[in-house]
Amino acid sequence: RKEVEQDPGPFNVPEGATVAFNCTYSNSASQSFFWYRQDCRKEPKLLMSVYSSGNEDGRFTAQLNRASQYISLLIRDSKLSDSATYLCVVNTLNSGYALNFGKGTSLLVTP
Amino acid sequence: NAGVTQTPKFRILKIGQSMTLQCTQDMNHNYMYWYRQDPGMGLKLIYYSVGAGITDKGEVPNGYNVSRSTTEDFPLRLELAAPSQTSVYFCASSGQGNTEAFFGQGTRLTVV
Repeated sequence: RKEVEQDPGPFNVPEGATVAFNCTYSNSASQSFFWYRQDCRKEPKLLMSVYSSGNEDGRFTAQLNRASQYISLLIRDSKLSDSATYLCVVNTLNSGYALNFGKGTSLLVTP
Repeated sequence: NAGVTQTPKFRILKIGQSMTLQCTQDMNHNYMYWYRQDPGMGLKLIYYSVGAGITDKGEVPNGYNVSRSTTEDFPLRLELAAPSQTSVYFCASSGQGNTEAFFGQGTRLTVV
């Protein structure tokens, strides 16, 4: 079983839509949780960290359920500029806190 | 603030050649990492370092070597390049380990 699994995607949505991505992780010792965004042929960049209490940053809301080992990302009022691949990322003390990446979910927002 | 800088951005190697991918960061981060990303796949950890003089293998270390003589630099060495090493390589650094990692712009390597 892969350490981090995400929705297979791709997601094609119209502008203004709400879209949700889900992710599960297998290592119960995972300590930190993130959503990264990766544009085509670019490096991953942090979108937001995910906290147990849930957190929101503008149109983006992240949730973490440690008991179910489940992470989610909700994007409201999608913009064309949200088109990218969204990477679910966790880390543990193992391997110097190296990040474990899901394969990513591709989002295409259309006019 | 340059962040994490990788060179070169692109490279074509012939089978059996060797090369070094350079990575330097100016954020005084202790933790540094090398990942590779193949098409449609997640990033896989090659090697990591938790501080100067300390390195260790990640998930896919075969065919690679690293060194960490300074806090700033973490070069990745490919010996005897093989077509299976065709990939995009990302270097990253992190200040406290369990916090955000910053990535370089990547090196696109093709082995023919």
